[in-house]
Amino acid sequence: LAKTTQPISMDSYEGQEVNITCSHNNIATNDYITWYQQFPSQGPRFIIQGYKTKVTNEVASLFIPADRKSSTLSLPRVSLSDTAVYYCLVGGLNTDKLIFGTGTRLQVFP
Amino acid sequence: GAVVSQHPSRVICKSGTSVKIECRSLDFQATTMFWYRQFPKKSLMLMATSNEGSKATYEQGVEKDKFLINHASLTLSTLTVTSAHPEDSSFYICSVPTSSYNEQFFGPGTRLTVL
Repeated sequence: LAKTTQPISMDSYEGQEVNITCSHNNIATNDYITWYQQFPSQGPRFIIQGYKTKVTNEVASLFIPADRKSSTLSLPRVSLSDTAVYYCLVGGLNTDKLIFGTGTRLQVFP
Repeated sequence: GAVVSQHPSRVICKSGTSVKIECRSLDFQATTMFWYRQFPKKSLMLMATSNEGSKATYEQGVEKDKFLINHASLTLSTLTVTSAHPEDSSFYICSVPTSSYNEQFFGPGTRLTVL
């Protein structure tokens, strides 16, 4: 499983766009990139997943460059409720185990 | 997506007792479930893979005789912490993988406090 590297923490203010970048230099050809969000004392929640280029859903966008060695989770106009830990994971189509890295602790201020 | 529940949500026990945590997949049959442990301000650590009808697969450093896992049906996996000690106090989370892509549905977690 590819190892991921993320900033330990980030601060933002309400209404701003937040971009969290994850490095995964050893990503394999069949690996997908998945982001999870975790609030205190809760299980992680799936946010978005992609393989290449750009993916967008109702809560976030995921940007993946052509070499796929990194990815950026973009949260538009964050609110206080987006304060959480965000995890980037990579794994293959048939990979069962998810190995969590350190995650990025996002703090949104009013 | 799949709905995953855990019971109990929190438990406090005395040192030396055993505690059973249930993980249920409410609307998805799961031949595999995963158990994680998370200490305060730390990331999730995979403990074991629970396999329906067969033995669980434990990650390196996780004592299989201390953390007993039973996956008796396609919707239920249990984790029993035997002879619990204060250092076992943690947040235990289970997950159910989807059938294809690298996505799992996580339970709400169980907070274990051993006195």
